[in-house]
Amino acid sequence: DTGVSQDPRHKITKRGQNVTFRCDPISEHNRLYWYRQTLGQGPEFLTYFQNEAQLEKSRLLSDRFSAERPKGSFSTLEIQRTEQGDSAMYLCASGKLAGGPRDIYQETQYFGPGTRLLVL
Amino acid sequence: DQQVKQNSPSLSVQEGRISILNCDYTNSMFDYFLWYKKYPAEGPTFLISISSIKDKNEDGRFTVFLNKSAKHLSLHIVPSQPGDSAVYFCAASANSGNTPLVFGKGTRLSVIA
Repeated sequence: DTGVSQDPRHKITKRGQNVTFRCDPISEHNRLYWYRQTLGQGPEFLTYFQNEAQLEKSRLLSDRFSAERPKGSFSTLEIQRTEQGDSAMYLCASGKLAGGPRDIYQETQYFGPGTRLLVL
Repeated sequence: DQQVKQNSPSLSVQEGRISILNCDYTNSMFDYFLWYKKYPAEGPTFLISISSIKDKNEDGRFTVFLNKSAKHLSLHIVPSQPGDSAVYFCAASANSGNTPLVFGKGTRLSVIA
């Protein structure tokens, strides 16, 4: 299987605890994205990496959130001191740049199955 | 401020007929558009994309149309099948997809046998 994988698939935690999620991208993809999805909404961008460099962070990513991609392969997303408002599906995607019309290179993102977090 | 809007939260279509899902955007910098399909408890699955230099892209039963002047795109599914029942998300990106995706809220498609 060469798709994006995420672990764990589900996590239940108590408010105030720390949690860490892992994402393994498609092996030849150099970009990795984290999104969050809540009920009735589309996925919302959190942060992304190109290789090991974190290039952009959304204002949604509070100080309690930190993401790493130490060797440019897998990534982790940690939430410290979880709050009930952190309950959501956390999605990871990896990006593949491909040739498009008129030699414009375009990136298509492929998503993993997500980690559903419930904070009690 | 929602930059990508899917104004129909749900749509029901009979099996074999055409499904048309609509999407509007406000940011004129968007130049790459994608449709994803999502089943419950799964991540979004990429369906089809279109660059802003084209007005149509087709892949099997799926066709995406882009009207840049109206900042509108649509996904046509012909013929619709029960397995197409899912939530469909429209997403947009600037710089030929080299920026994070901005998603709409999704449209739930139900294909009735």
